[in-house]
Amino acid sequence: DQQVKQNSPSLSVQEGRISILNCDYTNSMFDYFLWYKKYPAEGPTFLISISSIKDKNEDGRFTVFLNKSAKHLSLHIVPSQPGDSAVYFCAARGEYGNKLVFGAGTILRVKS
Amino acid sequence: EAQVTQNPRYLITVTGKKLTVTCSQNMNHEYMSWYRQDPGLGLRQIYYSMNVEVTDKGDVPEGYKVSRKEKRNFPLILESPSPNQTSLYFCASSLKGDAAYGYTFGSGTRLTVV
Repeated sequence: DQQVKQNSPSLSVQEGRISILNCDYTNSMFDYFLWYKKYPAEGPTFLISISSIKDKNEDGRFTVFLNKSAKHLSLHIVPSQPGDSAVYFCAARGEYGNKLVFGAGTILRVKS
Repeated sequence: EAQVTQNPRYLITVTGKKLTVTCSQNMNHEYMSWYRQDPGLGLRQIYYSMNVEVTDKGDVPEGYKVSRKEKRNFPLILESPSPNQTSLYFCASSLKGDAAYGYTFGSGTRLTVV
């Protein structure tokens, strides 16, 4: 049973517009969340993170929002660029802190 | 350059033939881990190591072994590979065991077992 779910396998967005990637989790013990980006033939790379004591974290064009009551987080990319085309994984720190639990990933395609 | 290096990048093998995928990091990280990525399932943890000589099972450890004799190396061993172990494997390392530090991943090993 997946504890971190990314229900949209793919998303297509026009260059310059906003990309919104969603993630839901079921374990209320998760207290730290991360987004990773993965290009083909490469390993995932860290993008942005958020602690459960916050509801928003921003880094340049990337903003992550956390809604604890809904057990939902989202990654906003504004403006989207063709180089943002990749697979995005949502991850949560496991309740013992010693692992990341990943979602299935969302393929983002930014069209120019 | 700080990195996690996995070898080989691609491997095709036959059922039952023992194999080892190597992983090495040059960042003096304490924590290392192996994940496998399968379509629709994301990345699932196989084994992890909090430090030298300390290893523990992740979520899908069946059919795999690991060892951590040195801080920099964390090989993944498949004693008798089966077709259901066909997957994309990633090694990761982190400064400390707390996952909030984030992981540095290798480039992946695509394994096919026929």
